Amino acid sequence: NAGVTQTPKFRILKIGQSMTLQCTQDMNHNYMYWYRQDPGMGLKLIYYSVGAGITDKGEVPNGYNVSRSTTEDFPLRLELAAPSQTSVYFCASSPEEGLYFGPGTRLTVT
Amino acid sequence: GENVEQHPSTLSVQEGDSAVIKCTYSDSASNYFPWYKQELGKGPQLIIDIRSNVGEKKDQRIAVTLNKTAKHFSLHITETQPEDSAVYFCAASKAGRRALTFGSGTRLQVQP
Repeated sequence: NAGVTQTPKFRILKIGQSMTLQCTQDMNHNYMYWYRQDPGMGLKLIYYSVGAGITDKGEVPNGYNVSRSTTEDFPLRLELAAPSQTSVYFCASSPEEGLYFGPGTRLTVT
Repeated sequence: GENVEQHPSTLSVQEGDSAVIKCTYSDSASNYFPWYKQELGKGPQLIIDIRSNVGEKKDQRIAVTLNKTAKHFSLHITETQPEDSAVYFCAASKAGRRALTFGSGTRLQVQP
């Protein structure tokens, strides 16, 4: 199993641009999550999903959107990128309890 | 919502010494408390977890203790090794809500 994979690893965006961060898991987990990690800080929940077709907001959802059309994929969409969205983004999946994280996407907005 | 506080933010120990990291949580309904280790450039990895019906759990050199009354839990690493150097995060969640609330992290450095 590859586990949780994320693409791209790094990205630089200009203010106002949009992009989609990809996340795929091959463990058949129902639960998937997007977290962001700012320097020296813990992880903040952006969005999560309890299964295909079901998504819900976390602590910091503003400026982001998600979709969950399949069990495997949970992309995160950034519309109109802002400098405040500079961060490292982690996708995770979970069978019941205990999250399995991907390697992260480092995003810089300038 | 849940709030998790973690201390210290940095911890430096000599190889072979013990390290202790402490977390407190605010929501008395929380019942699941995992610990994650994050190495440089990687995603966090689950190292141990504990549920509210258990007071202590051990896995080789790592142990976690939970005090439900005081709403705090701790990670204990004995006989530390240089490869234990990383950032450690505590987290909490409650039944029916799978998403975790994380502490702010502790950077552990083990000096050879």
